Amino acid sequence: SQQGEEDPQALSIQEGENATMNCSYKTSINNLQWYRQNSGRGLVHLILIRSNEREKHSGRLRVTLDTSKKSSSLLITASRAADTASYFCATALSGTYKYIFGTGTRLKVLA
Amino acid sequence: DTAVSQTPKYLVTQMGNDKSIKCEQNLGHDTMYWYKQDSKKFLKIMFSYNNKELIINETVPNRFSPKSPDKAHLNLHINSLELGDSAVYFCASSQVASADTQYFGPGTRLTVL
Repeated sequence: SQQGEEDPQALSIQEGENATMNCSYKTSINNLQWYRQNSGRGLVHLILIRSNEREKHSGRLRVTLDTSKKSSSLLITASRAADTASYFCATALSGTYKYIFGTGTRLKVLA
Repeated sequence: DTAVSQTPKYLVTQMGNDKSIKCEQNLGHDTMYWYKQDSKKFLKIMFSYNNKELIINETVPNRFSPKSPDKAHLNLHINSLELGDSAVYFCASSQVASADTQYFGPGTRLTVL
């Protein structure tokens, strides 16, 4: 069954607001990563958080990881229209070489 | 300079044909991947090679055959194309398998008629 489930599936906010999306997974992981995909393009890596880390920041992005709940969240602060994209979490499963991608959250930021 | 490149970008073909998609990375990475993204945007790993050795081979029809002539290239050959093969295929690379950032190519949109 699918490892990563993201929530919400779609999110529409006004420019300047914060956007939060969540990712849940099922098994032990080495790390969890977030990627962005603009329409018709490949995925772009945003941030990687290792299983022994709880929080990480990169610019306007903040990622948290709760391994006890097997969940992660991505917060984008002060959103811009250019943040409009699909966001995916990807988990690197412990003991394997596999990355499993979540179902994605489609974010729309209205100007 | 493009880090991970794929050719072609678009591929339209008839059912039953055989086609190939090529991928090249100039990042010096050891590991390369093929993913399939369906119409619902679900991204699923198909294959992975580490230093030309196959390390991931998911449940994929044996009509799909990856080939890695060297660690900078990973090609995907598909025999006897079916309608259900229509999807976007992404190549990616990473320095280390399963512990590192993946860099994705722009994708190849395959349409089987």
